[in-house]
Amino acid sequence: ILNVEQSPQSLHVQEGDSTNFTCSFPSSNFYALHWYRWETAKSPEALFVMTLNGDEKKKGRISATLNTKEGYSYLYIKGSQPEDSATYLCDNTDKLIFGTGTRLQVFP
Amino acid sequence: KAGVTQTPRYLIKTRGQQVTLSCSPISGHRSVSWYQQTPGQGLQFLFEYFSETQRNKGNFPGRFSGRQFSNSRSEMNVSTLELGDSALYLCASSLVKGDQETQYFGPGTRLLVL
Repeated sequence: ILNVEQSPQSLHVQEGDSTNFTCSFPSSNFYALHWYRWETAKSPEALFVMTLNGDEKKKGRISATLNTKEGYSYLYIKGSQPEDSATYLCDNTDKLIFGTGTRLQVFP
Repeated sequence: KAGVTQTPRYLIKTRGQQVTLSCSPISGHRSVSWYQQTPGQGLQFLFEYFSETQRNKGNFPGRFSGRQFSNSRSEMNVSTLELGDSALYLCASSLVKGDQETQYFGPGTRLLVL
């Protein structure tokens, strides 16, 4: 993988469902990975910074894991709410490269 | 502490013109990065400035340039505008140039080229 890739591109879930999506990145020369939430008409806002293989971070219903050896990070949302609707971006801060994001829509 | 501010918020220009966008980072932040976002694309990295020096540059033509002042404020200039330059331009600041540093984004400048 030469660039940061995110999947799926978009996701529609019902309120209360749990969901997860993936950020894949080059595993060589890894320094850190950030997850951001970007709500419509707002600025991207940092969720997590992850640096060590096996890192797990949690903020409320949102958590993330990191596997630097295989080059991926998962973001999980437990019990999705309409206010979780946003685009979730990850970046490989070594090269300041962002993925194209996963656009999440949560329907009430 | 005030957040990252960008001016102007909206701008309409015509092809061939040039434009200058401004970004004021969070007080104390010394690193400023610029990104372009076009419909269907992720954030495309333009460049990063730290202590008035360009430290990283993305894959954009030379029409895109920037600079940073001693107070860490940064400007981005696009010359000879093309229709494809219509985009949201975001700047982000961080405390130092560090890979673990979280970036704080401004509200963006939406540029429309006619």
